[in-house]
Amino acid sequence: DVKVTQSSRYLVKRTGEKVFLECVQDMDHENMFWYRQDPGLGLRLIYFSYDVKMKEKGDIPEGYSVSREKKERFSLILESASTNQTSMYLCASSSGQLSEAFFGQGTRLTVV
Amino acid sequence: GQNIDQPTEMTATEGAIVQINCTYQTSGFNGLFWYQQHAGEAPTFLSYNVLDGLEEKGRFSSFLSRSKGYSYLLLKELQMKDSASYLCAAPREETGANNLFFGTGTRLTVIP
Repeated sequence: DVKVTQSSRYLVKRTGEKVFLECVQDMDHENMFWYRQDPGLGLRLIYFSYDVKMKEKGDIPEGYSVSREKKERFSLILESASTNQTSMYLCASSSGQLSEAFFGQGTRLTVV
Repeated sequence: GQNIDQPTEMTATEGAIVQINCTYQTSGFNGLFWYQQHAGEAPTFLSYNVLDGLEEKGRFSSFLSRSKGYSYLLLKELQMKDSASYLCAAPREETGANNLFFGTGTRLTVIP
């Protein structure tokens, strides 16, 4: 059974903390993505990567960075968490072009 | 620019048929995806259309008209478990076909 695994389902952090969200996929996919999902705004792309060591900004990269040191792992970093980063974060992976994306279960992050 | 529009909410009765519409604007067309997302869970792939017409998969069918920039998802014999959000998505114009742009989703409520 193919899988995208996010390290935490729920997370509560304080304003100003550095936060790491981890995502691992076991399908040998080249492409990995980080989205955030907010009511009324849908899924918005934060960062994506098509290869190891490669990263590209999505629609809303401000306040975030990513790391892809290994093909199966894509980490999202909140450099200094703020309350407006309270959201559901979804990681996804896919193979090649025009292929379906597989999503992780999501991390609901609350910044207090 | 790229845009996807779909209704925010719909309600339908168990056993009935419901059609969820999606209109899109994109400069280069590479197909249209539908995903299902139950509350608190990850989106899961339903269908991908690149040619005009209707594609059927059990109780779910997806239709595409490229000339009209229009797609719909048809759910037959509705069941309570079909209560979910349905996301329409298209490959992004600027970053290539590996990467999806999502609509805000249609939340479907099935009532007895």
